[in-house]
Amino acid sequence: QSALTQPASVSGSPGQSITISCTGTNSDIGDYDYVSWYQQYPGKAPKLIIYDVNNRPSGVSNRFSGSKSGNTASLTISGLQAEDEADYYCHSYVGTSTYVFGTGTKVTVL
Amino acid sequence: EGQLVESGGDLVQPGGSLRLSCAASGFTFIHAWMHWVRQVPGKGLIWVSRISPDGAYTTYADSVRGRFTISRDNARNTVYLELNSLRAEDTAVYFCVSVRDKGSREEYWGQGTLVTVSS
Repeated sequence: QSALTQPASVSGSPGQSITISCTGTNSDIGDYDYVSWYQQYPGKAPKLIIYDVNNRPSGVSNRFSGSKSGNTASLTISGLQAEDEADYYCHSYVGTSTYVFGTGTKVTVL
Repeated sequence: EGQLVESGGDLVQPGGSLRLSCAASGFTFIHAWMHWVRQVPGKGLIWVSRISPDGAYTTYADSVRGRFTISRDNARNTVYLELNSLRAEDTAVYFCVSVRDKGSREEYWGQGTLVTVSS
């Protein structure tokens, strides 16, 4: 299973909104509503911020939102803050009880 | 608050074997699906394997199927990953992850354990 495709980097100024795309196929993102997003700081374990396309776990800021259209999922960060500077990964169920992550996107707050 | 602590990472020669352990606490382990995810330092995340709460169902990424074995001991709140026929490309930090859907998603990650395959 090939990794989902994400842009290598996305940047924005404080207060702005940014969107990270995650492109798969009709065998993963296009076929299941089981897309998750993770935030990872250097040297730390990833943290779940969105699951099942557009749901936030308890305690995650409502500045993070997710969506999906066809074979592409998206993560939007609104009101960008310095603390949002991190790596972000999408994740999808692929079927036959297997999963795949995206290639990862580095978010820079200018 | 749930906690996962991995152990067992080490330097091993190509072709060698290793067993990773992940001890869980602070949540109902017997209700959680457990996963292993790996990451080469500085690179992306790779899903490795998953096991059902009762241990009856296991799945693997193509790259490790036939070489790695996931198992769990619910009496000890521990999940294992047996790594055999290790290759240089298996070098990575290995994270264990617990996942449970109970209305909202409950998910915990360990801090990771480093496996280095080199002669």
